[in-house]
Amino acid sequence: AQRVTQPEKLLSVFKGAPVELKCNYSYSGSPELFWYVQYSRQRLQLLLRHISRESIKGFTADLNKGETSFHLKKPFAQEEDSAMYYCAPLGGYNKLIFGAGTRLAVHP
Amino acid sequence: DTGVSQDPRHKITKRGQNVTFRCDPISEHNRLYWYRQTLGQGPEFLTYFQNEAQLEKSRLLSDRFSAERPKGSFSTLEIQRTEQGDSAMYLCASTRQTEQETQYFGPGTRLLVL
Repeated sequence: AQRVTQPEKLLSVFKGAPVELKCNYSYSGSPELFWYVQYSRQRLQLLLRHISRESIKGFTADLNKGETSFHLKKPFAQEEDSAMYYCAPLGGYNKLIFGAGTRLAVHP
Repeated sequence: DTGVSQDPRHKITKRGQNVTFRCDPISEHNRLYWYRQTLGQGPEFLTYFQNEAQLEKSRLLSDRFSAERPKGSFSTLEIQRTEQGDSAMYLCASTRQTEQETQYFGPGTRLLVL
């Protein structure tokens, strides 16, 4: 079965510090992976997907097939980055398989 | 607002009652998903529609749950004989194949079963 693990429930950093939100997955074949974000009082929205290889709001994520990881990184965290972040591989029928999520808290 | 909408946003019901939720996807999105999210967890897949056809149902979807998408537009999720364990946020998402599978989520319906 496809599984995704986000080991940290909470990541607390100060503004300007680097951020890495961890995501490990178990998947056979070539996975398609996403990071979704939910800001306070907003709906869940796509942050980035690995196939695009793009940087959104300064965040990047590299798929490491050897380590089966898809960690989300940002070199300098901002207070507005405070949110709940979910790693989600795509399963059968393109359903998303969400991890438990990591709450990122960026302090001034 | 042309995003995914859900109604109601909140529902409080007593155990044993039936409840129905509605999801209106983005216009022309042929794929619609329902997820359930409990406290401290990520959303879990419940069911998937492509147009009006329900193509997959999770094992989480017991016999008390039923979902429909008549005419391939809006969708409803009904829970019969609600139990306290059904208390959760129910999320709807839609997408179309040309969107490279980006799913657009609604605001959710929060259900509390007393």
